[in-house]
Amino acid sequence: QKEVEQNSGPLSVPEGAIASLNCTYSDRGSQSFFWYRQYSGKSPELIMSIYSNGDKEDGRFTAQLNKASQYVSLLIRDSQPSDSATYLCAVLFSGGYNKLIFGAGTRLAVHP
Amino acid sequence: DAGVTQSPTHLIKTRGQHVTLRCSPISGHKSVSWYQQVLGQGPQFIFQYYEKEERGRGNFPDRFSARQFPNYSSELNVNALLLGDSALYLCASSSPEPRGYEQYFGPGTRLTVT
Repeated sequence: QKEVEQNSGPLSVPEGAIASLNCTYSDRGSQSFFWYRQYSGKSPELIMSIYSNGDKEDGRFTAQLNKASQYVSLLIRDSQPSDSATYLCAVLFSGGYNKLIFGAGTRLAVHP
Repeated sequence: DAGVTQSPTHLIKTRGQHVTLRCSPISGHKSVSWYQQVLGQGPQFIFQYYEKEERGRGNFPDRFSARQFPNYSSELNVNALLLGDSALYLCASSSPEPRGYEQYFGPGTRLTVT
C-alpha cells in the first residue's frame, strides 16, 4: 500500500464546474496535510494546508479532512482553464521532522 | 520578499561525475529540505536541515549528501552520478514558527545525466 494515494487522472471538467480531487493516506499519526499545484515544467506551489477535521475554504478552493477515514480532498469551484495542472496531495511525516510524503498527483484539465 | 532561490536552473552531467546544487531559503526561514522529483511522480524527500544540523534523511544512497551554512543556505551534493539521478531537484524552506510545517519550494534544478 502506498503511503499517499491519488487518482492519476486526467480529471477533465468543463469551465465553471466544480473539480473534486481526492487523496487517502496510510499513517494514522499524520496531523498536517497540504495541497500543491504544479504546472508542467514548474515547481510545486502550496495552495492549501489543513490540520483539523472538517472544511477549510480559501477563495475558490476548499480542502476537506477526515482523519478517521484517512481522507483529504480538494474542491475547486468555478474551475478555469488556468487551473489545469497537476495537483499533489502531501502529508507531513509524523516521525518528528519536516518530511512531506507526496502522492503521485492528479492531472486536472479544465476545458472551455 | 524573495522566495526560495536555487542554482543552477539546468545542469547536464556525465555518469560518474559529481554535482553540487545550491539553495537559499526565504528570509527568516531556518529549515531547508531537499526533494527529488522524477517525471510522473511526486517529490521524494532526501534531507532536512535545521540550524545547520541534519534532522532527517530519506531513503537515498550515501552518494547523496548535504549541508547547511550559517546563513541557512544549503547545498546538495551527489557523487558518482547514475542515469537514474536525472530528475528535478527541489529545495523547500519552512519556518519553525506556528505555520512552520508549510514548505515553500524553489524553482528547482533540472539535472540530466548522460
